[in-house]
Amino acid sequence: DARVTQTPRHKVTEMGQEVTMRCQPILGHNTVFWYRQTMMQGLELLAYFRNRAPLDDSGMPKDRFSAEMPDATLATLKIQPSEPRDSAVYFCASGLLPKGSDPTDTGELFFGEGSRLTVL
Amino acid sequence: GQQLNQSPQSMFIQEGEDVSMNCTSSSIFNTWLWYKQDPGEGPVLLIALYKAGELTSNGRLTAQFGITRKDSFLNISASIPSDVGIYFCAGKTSGSRLTFGEGTQLTVNP
Repeated sequence: DARVTQTPRHKVTEMGQEVTMRCQPILGHNTVFWYRQTMMQGLELLAYFRNRAPLDDSGMPKDRFSAEMPDATLATLKIQPSEPRDSAVYFCASGLLPKGSDPTDTGELFFGEGSRLTVL
Repeated sequence: GQQLNQSPQSMFIQEGEDVSMNCTSSSIFNTWLWYKQDPGEGPVLLIALYKAGELTSNGRLTAQFGITRKDSFLNISASIPSDVGIYFCAGKTSGSRLTFGEGTQLTVNP
């Protein structure tokens, strides 16, 4: 049963600490997304990769957040230094888009179970 | 940017009742997706719509892509307790990113 896998499921840390969240997209998918979910803002897009290349990270605070795809089976989202306002559930999603798709197409996204981050 | 309005924000219904929720956008969309999120889980795709007027069913769920291309609705027939969760619409127009609605929290009383 193919699924997006995220680790850790839960993370409690202190302000100023580095946090790294990991995602294993569904094998064969060529798009990866990072979303943040809070009660106030709902689902916010942070970053978007296609074929491992970052296409859009305009939703991400650049001074402290960074997203990478070291290889096709791993995507990471790092926060350094973390702040209490970063407390949220972070979702990774992956999808499969055919060649020649519009660069803005996202297709059907399949979400992981999320990483719940609490920054004290 | 695009705006998506999803309503209602929450619904409290009795088991067996039918449910209807909808989303409207300020832009013309070419894709509408409906997701369900269970507590502590990620959103799961229920139905995808790609053509204006398209009506698609998935079990007791039916969703339609509005003719004006600015709205979509999701119906759930004969609700059961496991239908509880948050339902999200998501839509996009060519040249823009997928936008999510704020969600409809559904509670089903046995």
